[in-house]
Amino acid sequence: GAVVSQHPSRVICKSGTSVKIECRSLDFQATTMFWYRQFPKQSLMLMATSNEGSKATYEQGVEKDKFLINHASLTLSTLTVTSAHPEDSSFYICSARDLRGAPYEQYFGPGTRLTVT
Amino acid sequence: TQLLEQSPQFLSIQEGENLTVYCNSSSVFSSLQWYRQEPGEGPVLLVTVVTGGEVKKLKRLTFQFGDARKDSSLHITAAQPGDTGLYLCGWIIQGAQKLVFGQGTRLTINP
Repeated sequence: GAVVSQHPSRVICKSGTSVKIECRSLDFQATTMFWYRQFPKQSLMLMATSNEGSKATYEQGVEKDKFLINHASLTLSTLTVTSAHPEDSSFYICSARDLRGAPYEQYFGPGTRLTVT
Repeated sequence: TQLLEQSPQFLSIQEGENLTVYCNSSSVFSSLQWYRQEPGEGPVLLVTVVTGGEVKKLKRLTFQFGDARKDSSLHITAAQPGDTGLYLCGWIIQGAQKLVFGQGTRLTINP
């Protein structure tokens, strides 16, 4: 149980275009999902907290108009990178908290590798 | 300001050796987690520690939580090449209920 999927696993897009990444909890409901970004050889940096049915909470320094987050259901959150630039190239990872689990139980997706050319 | 300080950031040792990785903060943790991440994958939870002084074992891995809940360590005995990866400590920020990570320790075990 407690599986989180991401789609796509890899995406290449041209500079100036937008790309959407999906995060799904497959066998549990998640009122809260989190989006992280990871640059090569670095740790995961929390970008935002996504709450079902409400606006996302962004970490300091993260542009909310550039990284659009939608959490329309208890099993799906999406991250849209708008007007992507090469510096947005990164590994994006989501995690989800089980509605019925302990507060510290989070499950991570496998990540999405974004390359902007 | 880095909330969590991990050390060392890089470690390369020979198979069979022992090693310890540290995670420290000036703040008190409500709970702390250790994760392992392999290249191109998401992190996988190894352990959650909640109680000061707690020790947990996972095969050759031993996790300790400091008495004051401001530090933690991960000790690996007889390291194997399969232990290679990025080890991350993570802090659940109480109230906000969000998980933030330290810088990570990139461990390489050479056969």
